[in-house]
Amino acid sequence: QKEVEQNSGPLSVPEGAIASLNCTYSDRGSQSFFWYRQYSGKSPELIMSIYSNGDKEDGRFTAQLNKASQYVSLLIRDSQPSDSATYLCAVKASGANNLFFGTGTRLTVIP
Amino acid sequence: GAVVSQHPSWVICKSGTSVKIECRSLDFQATTMFWYRQFPKQSLMLMATSNEGSKATYEQGVEKDKFLINHASLTLSTLTVTSAHPEDSSFYICSARRLRQGGNSPLHFGNGTRLTVT
Repeated sequence: QKEVEQNSGPLSVPEGAIASLNCTYSDRGSQSFFWYRQYSGKSPELIMSIYSNGDKEDGRFTAQLNKASQYVSLLIRDSQPSDSATYLCAVKASGANNLFFGTGTRLTVIP
Repeated sequence: GAVVSQHPSWVICKSGTSVKIECRSLDFQATTMFWYRQFPKQSLMLMATSNEGSKATYEQGVEKDKFLINHASLTLSTLTVTSAHPEDSSFYICSARRLRQGGNSPLHFGNGTRLTVT
């Protein structure tokens, strides 16, 4: 069983729509969750971090965490073509120093 | 914010030669840095954890004698790919974490090094 699972996509949404990206994880004791954006040929850049259940909003981005369901999501409102990238979910498992990454979801925002 | 610098950004080398990649934390000290490798259309795979002043911890399946890691200071870790072969061609990315209470702060990534072995 993979530590972190994501739907690989591709996910296509029209410009201005809401993009919803989902992620599940296997270690129930995980405490830290992150969303990274990676453009083709570039390294990942941090978008959001979330540590407690509920929603966390930052501009057009909202991260949602449900530890009981071992589920974390990222919503992108008013999607822009520049949001087109691969979004990586990362989890810091209990007792681990590194992050476990999902395989990423490729998002395409259609103008 | 935290900045991690990685050099070089790309390198082409001949099979059998060695390549050194540097990773620096520019505005913070990092006792631990992480080296990842990413093949096309795949996710990041952790290769090893670099520990300042001690030996690196390698993930299963990663040859420690082939991928030499040195973390001689609190701001610099190096990865040397020795006797490189075409199958080592990949995108190598380092990362570091600015330590905060609880150690749950996110990883910050360098810009990556694209290695091509001919």
